Amino acid sequence: RKEVEQDPGPFNVPEGATVAFNCTYSNSASQSFFWYRQDCRKEPKLLMSVYSSGNEDGRFTAQLNRASQYISLLIRDSKLSDSATYLCVGISSGSARQLTFGSGTQLTVLP
Amino acid sequence: SAVISQKPSRDICQRGTSLTIQCQVDSQVTMMFWYRQQPGQSLTLIATANQGSEATYESGFVIDKFPISRPNLTFSTLTVSNMSPEDSSIYLCSVQPVGYGYTFGSGTRLTVV
Repeated sequence: RKEVEQDPGPFNVPEGATVAFNCTYSNSASQSFFWYRQDCRKEPKLLMSVYSSGNEDGRFTAQLNRASQYISLLIRDSKLSDSATYLCVGISSGSARQLTFGSGTQLTVLP
Repeated sequence: SAVISQKPSRDICQRGTSLTIQCQVDSQVTMMFWYRQQPGQSLTLIATANQGSEATYESGFVIDKFPISRPNLTFSTLTVSNMSPEDSSIYLCSVQPVGYGYTFGSGTRLTVV
């Protein structure tokens, strides 16, 4: 089983829609989680951190549920520019602090 | 956050040859990470490079195939040795400067023919 598993996608949604991505993790020792965004032929870029208390940044809301080992990303009022692959990322505990990536969920926002 | 300069951005190489990828960071960082992203897939960690010590490789990756150098706190290289078409992929370096999230280089798109 992969350490970080994501919705398979792809998601094709109309502009203005609300879309949610889910991610589960198997390593309970994972300390921190992030959502990264990767545009086609580009490197991943940090979108936002994920906290148990929830983290909101404009139209984006991320949530971490440690009891269920579950992470979510909610995008409200989708824009065409939100089209990208969204990667759920965990960081291992300990000094190495390696990133573990989910397989990514592809989002296409349609006009 | 840190700025990473990764070179080359792309290359087409003959099988059996080797390619060295460079990453230069604009600040000192303790650890640098090298990833591979195969077509249509997510990122897989190859190894973690600390300055002054041998790199730590993940399962499935070995030093003979992917030798890494880390001569100082701002620079690292990854060599893809004795390449085969299966090595065609995007290779990315990454760092986490203190107080910032992980930052990635722009990637090296490698095609082996």
